[in-house]
Amino acid sequence: GQQLNQSPQSMFIQEGEDVSMNCTSSSIFNTWLWYKQDPGEGPVLLIALYKAGELTSNGRLTAQFGITRKDSFLNISASIPSDVGIYFCAGPIDSNYQLIWGAGTKLIIKP
Amino acid sequence: SQTIHQWPATLVQPVGSPLSLECTVEGTSNPNLYWYRQAAGRGLQLLFYSVGIGQISSEVPQNLSASRPQDRQFILSSKKLLLSDSGFYLCAWSEIRNTEAFFGQGTRLTVV
Repeated sequence: GQQLNQSPQSMFIQEGEDVSMNCTSSSIFNTWLWYKQDPGEGPVLLIALYKAGELTSNGRLTAQFGITRKDSFLNISASIPSDVGIYFCAGPIDSNYQLIWGAGTKLIIKP
Repeated sequence: SQTIHQWPATLVQPVGSPLSLECTVEGTSNPNLYWYRQAAGRGLQLLFYSVGIGQISSEVPQNLSASRPQDRQFILSSKKLLLSDSGFYLCAWSEIRNTEAFFGQGTRLTVV
């Protein structure tokens, strides 16, 4: 079945560094969603992408919808401690708008 | 604005006991509703989704069931919990014909 491959699985970075993660699929997607989940809480939508090639920012976060429509990237600039968490990509698999999810990228900031 | 409420936040239940988790959405009508489960350190697994009252689709065969007795109420149930039912359960909603899903705070279920 369809699946999203999200990488890296985890990242250990220094505060102030830039972060980059990506999500790929064997199928074409019309929408890419990026979420962040803090420990013990539900995921929160960060950025939604609807057009191939689209580049969208939300503060220090920037996400891009790949031209092939089979991938998406999320970048975080100048990371801060509150960026810690798990980042998920997601996309709809059918006309009922059901989402499939990547396995997540866990971001850890080294003190 | 729309809000989603999910309770309880944590629950410890013995094996073989029943389960009822409730989720309600405010500020919208006829939403799509979802129940997800998340194992520790893992991604989200869709359990059930509903596009209307009394309409439930199951994604994974399991020991759980879902019901939607009212437009903005979604309930996750089990008659007899198993140890493997432990996990983090998340309720979510989305607008009809919209992919963006919004999540509740989650319920941490531990079956002992």
